[in-house]
Parts: sequence; C-alpha cells; structure tokens
Amino acid sequence: DTAVSQTPKYLVTQMGNDKSIKCEQNLGHDTMYWYKQDSKKFLKIMFSYNNKELIINETVPNRFSPKSPDKAHLNLHINSLELGDSAVYFCASSQQREAFFGQGTRLTVV
Amino acid sequence: GQQVMQIPQYQHVQEGEDFTTYCNSSTTLSNIQWYKQRPGGHPVFLIQLVKSGEVKKQKRLTFQFGEAKKNSSLHITATQTTDVGTYFCAGDGTGTASKLTFGTGTRLQVTL
Repeated sequence: DTAVSQTPKYLVTQMGNDKSIKCEQNLGHDTMYWYKQDSKKFLKIMFSYNNKELIINETVPNRFSPKSPDKAHLNLHINSLELGDSAVYFCASSQQREAFFGQGTRLTVV
Repeated sequence: GQQVMQIPQYQHVQEGEDFTTYCNSSTTLSNIQWYKQRPGGHPVFLIQLVKSGEVKKQKRLTFQFGEAKKNSSLHITATQTTDVGTYFCAGDGTGTASKLTFGTGTRLQVTL
C-alpha cells in the first residue's frame, strides 16, 4: 500500500493548456504539501494545507490552484501552462514530524 | 523569508572516503530534518534533531544540530556506492511542520 500516491507520474503538455495532478495519502496525516523541484534539484514549497485549510501559499502564481476536498487528498490544478512550469512536482504529508513524499510528477511543457 | 543553504552543492568521493555536508539557516529553527533523495527518486526522511547541540548517529551517518539551532551537519564515514544521492536538510521554524523549508541540497557521487 503506497502511503502517498500521486498521478500521473509523467505529464507532457503544450503551452497554454490546463492540467491537474492528484495526490492522496492513506497515513491519516493532517498536513499536506506541494513542492516543486526544478532542474537544479531545489525543492521549493508551494502550498501547505492543514485539515483541508490553506496554511501556506508561497507566492505561487495564481495559475496554480490547490484543492483539498478532504484531508486525505490535495490536488493541484495549473492553468495556462508555461515553459517555466516544467519541473517535478512532489506531494507530501506529515503529522507534525517527518514528511512522506509521493513519487513525484514530472511535468514537461513543450 | 527563511532561507536554508547547504554546502557544498556537489561532492565526488571515492568509496571509503568520508563526506560532510553543512546546512545553515537564516533563522532559528525549532528542529532540523535530513532527507536523502536517490537519483530519479523522491526525498526520504532520515532523521530529526530537536535539541540544541544534539548529535545522533545512524550506522555510518552522524548528524549534528548547532548550539544556536541555526546550523546542522551530516557526516558519512567510509562512503559506499549506496550513499549516492542528494542530501537535503529541512528546517522547521514553526514547530508544527506546517512549513518545512528545504536546503539547497548536496549531491554526493561515490565511485569505486
């Protein structure tokens, strides 16, 4: 049983399109995150949710809209994709301690 | 905002040599965590340090948290090829894990 699962694993799309990445955790954690990892491997936090409520929004363009229908799910919708959005997006969850990461979604915008 | 820097960015060692990565935060941290990311993989939690001056060991890995709780280090003794990957420290300034700020990472390459 995968603790934090995200889909899809790979996503190739054209500029201007809209896409979504889904994330689910079965650990019962209250906090979920989205991180972006660029080509230099920097891991930057984008959003943090606690019990379905947005806690942190790290100056992410409003083309990115997270949605948490319940505390086990945190989806990421991206509008009008740009070349600079190409990266690996990681979902993670935690319960006031270590973060458990999903396998990542490699997004390539062409 | 909080910034967490790591040095070096990259290190290439021969198997059997030691390796150290250093982590520095611009602000005081409530705790520090360390993660390892294998090539093509996702970050995996290694350890958490909470107390000022704390030292913890995991087999060949030694982790330290600075007295001022603004820096940390990870030392690997006698590296092996299985140690290859990127090592990240992650600082939590809030104590609630609501915002883990990851360091810039140190990529370790080990050759025979």
